[in-house]
Amino acid sequence: GAGVSQSPSNKVTEKGKDVELRCDPISGHTALYWYRQSLGQGLEFLIYFQGNSAPDKSGLPSDRFSAERTGGSVSTLTIQRTQQEDSAVYLCASSYMGDGYTFGSGTRLTVV
Amino acid sequence: SQKIEQNSEALNIQEGKTATLTCNYTNYSPAYLQWYRQDPGRGPVFLLLIRENEKEKRKERLKVTFDTTLKQSLFHITASQPADSATYLCALSPSGTYKYIFGTGTRLKVLA
Repeated sequence: GAGVSQSPSNKVTEKGKDVELRCDPISGHTALYWYRQSLGQGLEFLIYFQGNSAPDKSGLPSDRFSAERTGGSVSTLTIQRTQQEDSAVYLCASSYMGDGYTFGSGTRLTVV
Repeated sequence: SQKIEQNSEALNIQEGKTATLTCNYTNYSPAYLQWYRQDPGRGPVFLLLIRENEKEKRKERLKVTFDTTLKQSLFHITASQPADSATYLCALSPSGTYKYIFGTGTRLKVLA
């Protein structure tokens, strides 16, 4: 597609529920990244997929967080048993090799 | 510890002047450094990438410098315009991979 597409754009969930966030990267981009941004804060790295290599999961804050990338394209970030501190904007980006990232508009997650 | 520091205070400048934003880092030896622009409610937008063996990079009214001795990058916008008002993020690749760590950003306001 023309850009990185994320869905949903907004998600309100109850504490303890599981959520799935979807990212559709730019076709042909080899790398896909997930970051999160809390209000007024910088971007916190979560996970990075590069081609067929094992993902770099070093930024995932707990084992409640997981992500997969199917067929080298679409990615899903799953948060299990959501907590209020998980509330943030979750941003997905893709890139071709070492080029600059193209970010989606993000999913605003609110845990109530 | 590893840190990326950007001035957290907003920078206000008069239209037509040159804006200079600073990114300092400690305990990193980045191979690449990037600058992004972020508008409220949107994902960051890639502006420029500079490599460790490049001292300066230009794109239209933008100029980035990269001093690996000082561990600093400067981002300049010449002939600034109110439309340049946004938050500017620097990001570095700590390991030479395509994974970037972001600073918290500096908010720039260009006054008409």
